[in-house]
Amino acid sequence: NAGVMQNPRHLVRRRGQEARLRCSPMKGHSHVYWYRQLPEEGLKFMVYLQKENIIDESGMPKERFSAEFPKEGPSILRIQQVVRGDSAAYFCASSPRGGPGANVLTFGAGSRLTVL
Amino acid sequence: SQQGEEDPQALSIQEGENATMNCSYKTSINNLQWYRQNSGRGLVHLILIRSNEREKHSGRLRVTLDTSKKSSSLLITASRAADTASYFCATDGLLSAGGTSYGKLTFGQGTILTVHP
Repeated sequence: NAGVMQNPRHLVRRRGQEARLRCSPMKGHSHVYWYRQLPEEGLKFMVYLQKENIIDESGMPKERFSAEFPKEGPSILRIQQVVRGDSAAYFCASSPRGGPGANVLTFGAGSRLTVL
Repeated sequence: SQQGEEDPQALSIQEGENATMNCSYKTSINNLQWYRQNSGRGLVHLILIRSNEREKHSGRLRVTLDTSKKSSSLLITASRAADTASYFCATDGLLSAGGTSYGKLTFGQGTILTVHP
């Protein structure tokens, strides 16, 4: 079991470019979460998705950020027109179906975005 | 201050000593979890304690929860150099989607633990 796979591990973008971060959940997990970690801080919830559905996006910035989890393929976190303040580590996590254990998350190794 | 605040922010001890980290939170919770993060890596789940539990053990880890004080502690006994990492508490609130619990967690800022050989 490969666990939660994220790529790229490191991404450098110039201001105004787009960043696309990908996440494949752990095998058998159908719930995906994205979290952001700024330097020297804890993780902040961004969005919760199931296949083809956004369940909770209350932590997503209103502009430039979007997320999807299509029927086939990985979940994508997309940041348009990046700014320096978007520089952070973006972590994907997955969990089994709802019910007991649904809130114990398995995290990927993260994608570190640097905006120049 | 934020939900899920840890103290101390940094802790430096010698191998073999015990390490205690504390976490405070503000709102009612379903569960409280502790995660560990090695430098430059993702978080690894350590232990979960439910709101109706007061103490839980897992190997060298001991977690306590005091819901009246809205606080938790993580004790690592007989620490090893390999325990060097950041430790985060995380809470999930009473809200849920479709009546089930899900992984919208609120993390604290973490305690950086350094264990010297």
